[in-house]
Amino acid sequence: AQSVTQLGSHVSVSEGALVLLRCNYSSSVPPYLFWYVQYPNQGLQLLLKYTSAATLVKGINGFEAEFKKSETSFHLTKPSAHMSDAAEYFCAVSDRGGSQGNLIFGKGTKLSVKP
Amino acid sequence: KAGVTQTPRYLIKTRGQQVTLSCSPISGHRSVSWYQQTPGQGLQFLFEYFSETQRNKGNFPGRFSGRQFSNSRSEMNVSTLELGDSALYLCASSLLGQGGTGNTIYFGEGSWLTVV
Repeated sequence: AQSVTQLGSHVSVSEGALVLLRCNYSSSVPPYLFWYVQYPNQGLQLLLKYTSAATLVKGINGFEAEFKKSETSFHLTKPSAHMSDAAEYFCAVSDRGGSQGNLIFGKGTKLSVKP
Repeated sequence: KAGVTQTPRYLIKTRGQQVTLSCSPISGHRSVSWYQQTPGQGLQFLFEYFSETQRNKGNFPGRFSGRQFSNSRSEMNVSTLELGDSALYLCASSLLGQGGTGNTIYFGEGSWLTVV
């Protein structure tokens, strides 16, 4: 069965510092991978997705993620954190070509940005 | 274009009652999915509807049900509410569905349900 593990339920960085949010997946075949962001009292907004076109995926708001099959990872990074990046981030996986293609989410990582 | 719209945004119900939540997908999208979000369990898939048919179902009791109309709008219903049903219920829509296509899935802002 597919699963997603997000290391660290809470990450705190200083404004201007590198943001690194970790995501590892478990799947028998390379899946589709997604990162979503959730601001307080809002729904989920797609940051980026991996569908095998390129291993380095660029998303909105300066975020990017790299798919590493050998490490079964899809970590999210941003070179310089802004205060507005404070939110909860979710990594999700979807089975490639499977009939049960619903998204399976990680537990989420809450990002705090200190001034 | 308009995003995924969910109504109501907030509601409070009493244990034992039933509730209906509504979702209007993005225009042209035929797939609507529902997710439950709680602090303890995180985001869990409830079910997906495509062209008025339930295509996928998560591991929830039969008290949770849904339907989709010919205009792709969807409703979900929870009967005999329990305290543990208190959650944010998120609706998501996509063009062709989630079935392993890599389709982008767009979420609404959710309906906050509190059961007292």
